[in-house]
Amino acid sequence: GAVVSQHPSWVICKSGTSVKIECRSLDFQATTMFWYRQFPKQSLMLMATSNEGSKATYEQGVEKDKFLINHASLTLSTLTVTSAHPEDSSFYICSASEGTDTGELFFGEGSRLTVL
Amino acid sequence: AQKITQTQPGMFVQEKEAVTLDCTYDTSDPSYGLFWYKQPSSGEMIFLIYQGSYDQQNATEGRYSLNFQKARKSANLVISASQLGDSAMYFCAMWDSNSGYALNFGKGTSLLVTP
Repeated sequence: GAVVSQHPSWVICKSGTSVKIECRSLDFQATTMFWYRQFPKQSLMLMATSNEGSKATYEQGVEKDKFLINHASLTLSTLTVTSAHPEDSSFYICSASEGTDTGELFFGEGSRLTVL
Repeated sequence: AQKITQTQPGMFVQEKEAVTLDCTYDTSDPSYGLFWYKQPSSGEMIFLIYQGSYDQQNATEGRYSLNFQKARKSANLVISASQLGDSAMYFCAMWDSNSGYALNFGKGTSLLVTP
């Protein structure tokens, strides 16, 4: 199956700093990527849909100025958590679709963010 | 709007036994897709099985099968011959034509396989 790689796997930062997470589709082109957030023992919640060459579409309640998404190429989307605070600590997972009929999403390994 | 419901927060099963994880969904769209993913403690999301709304037969993938009852809007996952390595979180998810391939997930079921 298709491979999606996410980096870094885990990051610890101080409150007030910004953190960038990269999501790459390694063997296919992804015009659309999705960013999810997962708090401990909870489900995955869709944060935003990232479209190559255009602005991301954010879900209700997700601050677009805080979670900056850039999808500059068909294989790379980035999520930047700006001015991170402890409540932003979470597991962030990206995913992408090859565009097949099933709509199967391929997920990155996830990035665990801890804000001190 | 679509909705996914998993009513079993946790399940236990003995090794080599079969287990059914429940999932019900709600959508007004006639075209949709249903998925099951496994998430071990490492956090990665592992695709298990897919069922399309127009598929006539229940999907099967090795030890995994999906009991698709369209009229009841249920898509239960059946794991046969459970193994210790099956212990993980299991998420039911779906997309419909309005979601642009974005998957919406249920709350998940934690499965523990005991020796």
